[in-house]
Amino acid sequence: DTAVSQTPKYLVTQMGNDKSIKCEQNLGHDTMYWYKQDSKKFLKIMFSYNNKELIINETVPNRFSPKSPDKAHLNLHINSLELGDSAVYFCASSPLQGASAEAFFGQGTRLTVV
Amino acid sequence: DAKTTQPPSMDCAEGRAANLPCNHSTISGNEYVYWYRQIHSQGPQYIIHGLKNNETNEMASLIITEDRKSSTLILPHATLRDTAVYYCIVKHRGSQGNLIFGKGTKLSVKP
Repeated sequence: DTAVSQTPKYLVTQMGNDKSIKCEQNLGHDTMYWYKQDSKKFLKIMFSYNNKELIINETVPNRFSPKSPDKAHLNLHINSLELGDSAVYFCASSPLQGASAEAFFGQGTRLTVV
Repeated sequence: DAKTTQPPSMDCAEGRAANLPCNHSTISGNEYVYWYRQIHSQGPQYIIHGLKNNETNEMASLIITEDRKSSTLILPHATLRDTAVYYCIVKHRGSQGNLIFGKGTKLSVKP
């Protein structure tokens, strides 16, 4: 069983569109995250959610909004897509906030905005 | 969280030990050293972490100097599948769980 799964794996869309990336974890973890890896391969935290509460927002534009319907899911909604949003987005999860930094990552969603 | 410094790239012969260094001279007493790796096009993978004692698991060993200002990740018998970017991360275990990734070390294992 895949621990952290993301869909879709690839997403190509036009500027101005709105899109969503889904993430699910079956590990029973309390905290989930979204990371962005740009073309220069830098990995940066975007959001984390703990028990449906946003606990980190690293100055991400408000066009990006995480939505957590339950503890096992953290979806990423992006409005009015821009060329600069092209990147690989990784979802991750970890046990109790702060208890361990052993995070499990999904395989990533490669977003291309044209 | 303290900053880390790693060499940008290293080579290792297949079957030999890969020793990846990391400097974290500003580490504080309650900060842990974590190692992750990212194999091409995959999500990062946790390897090991430690506070001050040396640690070993099925993937690797972590050697932390006595003053805790540097550490070495050891892959005892590197294989071609160990080719990846390796990230050394220092953080408080009690802090929020987000990870601050640097540039890491690109390890190339060669036949």
